Amino acid sequence: DVKVTQSSRYLVKRTGEKVFLECVQDMDHENMFWYRQDPGLGLRLIYFSYDVKMKEKGDIPEGYSVSREKKERFSLILESASTNQTSMYLCASSSFGLAGGAGREQFFGPGTRLTVL
Amino acid sequence: GEDVEQSLFLSVREGDSSVINCTYTDSSSTYLYWYKQEPGAGLQLLTYIFSNMDMKQDQRLTVLLNKKDKHLSLRIADTQTGDSAIYFCAASPTGANNLFFGTGTRLTVIP
Repeated sequence: DVKVTQSSRYLVKRTGEKVFLECVQDMDHENMFWYRQDPGLGLRLIYFSYDVKMKEKGDIPEGYSVSREKKERFSLILESASTNQTSMYLCASSSFGLAGGAGREQFFGPGTRLTVL
Repeated sequence: GEDVEQSLFLSVREGDSSVINCTYTDSSSTYLYWYKQEPGAGLQLLTYIFSNMDMKQDQRLTVLLNKKDKHLSLRIADTQTGDSAIYFCAASPTGANNLFFGTGTRLTVIP
């Protein structure tokens, strides 16, 4: 079974702190993603990566950066946390899609609920 | 880019059928997915359909795809209280590495 793990389920930080959210997957997937989830807004893509050291901006990259030094690990960084970054953060991974499979199905971690005070 | 839309809420009585609808805009989407998110958890893939199919059935779940209207639906037969969750529709356009998600539909099952 594919497993995507996130470093924390709950996190409380103060405004201005630097925050690291870590995500690890064990299926040798090429693609990894960071989303934030807010009520009524669904999932919004922050950043994604399709290879080590590669990254692409999603829909809402402002205030965030990412790092992918190893294939299995994708980190989301809030350089200076603000209260409007209080949210649920979800990490996901996928392969490039194999014929006969479920295409680019994404596998999700359990999420990190971040509160910025 | 792809735009995926769903209604936000649906309430049904236990034992009834639920139908969750979704529309998308990119006709090149080759796979369309339904994910389920239970409270406090991440998303789990419920089912998917390839674009050359009109229908897919898996136990209590039926997915219908109307490619002409770019409309996808998920029907849950004999809805149970354990089906209460948020259901996300997602599309995979050709050439995109990422999926495009709808806002999610919160299904509430009334006992």
